[in-house]
Amino acid sequence: AQSVAQPEDQVNVAEGNPLTVKCTYSVSGNPYLFWYVQYPNRGLQFLLKYITGDNLVKGSYGFEAEFNKSQTSFHLKKPSALVSDSALYFCAVPGGATNKLIFGTGTLLAVQP
Amino acid sequence: KAGVTQTPRYLIKTRGQQVTLSCSPISGHRSVSWYQQTPGQGLQFLFEYFSETQRNKGNFPGRFSGRQFSNSRSEMNVSTLELGDSALYLCASSLELAGGRYEQYFGPGTRLTVT
Repeated sequence: AQSVAQPEDQVNVAEGNPLTVKCTYSVSGNPYLFWYVQYPNRGLQFLLKYITGDNLVKGSYGFEAEFNKSQTSFHLKKPSALVSDSALYFCAVPGGATNKLIFGTGTLLAVQP
Repeated sequence: KAGVTQTPRYLIKTRGQQVTLSCSPISGHRSVSWYQQTPGQGLQFLFEYFSETQRNKGNFPGRFSGRQFSNSRSEMNVSTLELGDSALYLCASSLELAGGRYEQYFGPGTRLTVT
């Protein structure tokens, strides 16, 4: 079965420092992976996706994700964190049925000024 | 293009009542998926509709149902509400890509509180 895991419930980082939010995956076939962000009292916003090709995927708001096949990871990164990046981040993978996503448990990113 | 819209944004109901939530997808998107988000269970897939037909269903009891109209707008209904149905209900509109791939875009959600 397709699944993703987010090992950290919360990540704390100081503003201006680089950030990493971790995600590992277990899929059959070629990986197709997503990152979403959720701000308080809001729905999920699409950040980026990996289909194939370059292992570094660039997305919205300056975020990027690094795909690593040998480590089955798809970590979300940003070179310089902003306080406004504080939110809940989810990685996701298609769940074997059309238009059905399986989400990780989410990682709360807290950026301190 | 306008994004996914969901109405109402907030709802308070009493146990035993029923509720209907509405979702309008992005123009041109024909698929609508529904998810339930709770602190304990996280994000869980409810069902997906495409061209007025339910194509996929998650592991929820029959009290949860939905439908889709010819204009792709979708509704979900929960009957005989239980306290555990309190959640954020998210609707997603899918952009279908080549090779069976897709991207999902989410609405702001409906926050349902059951008392």
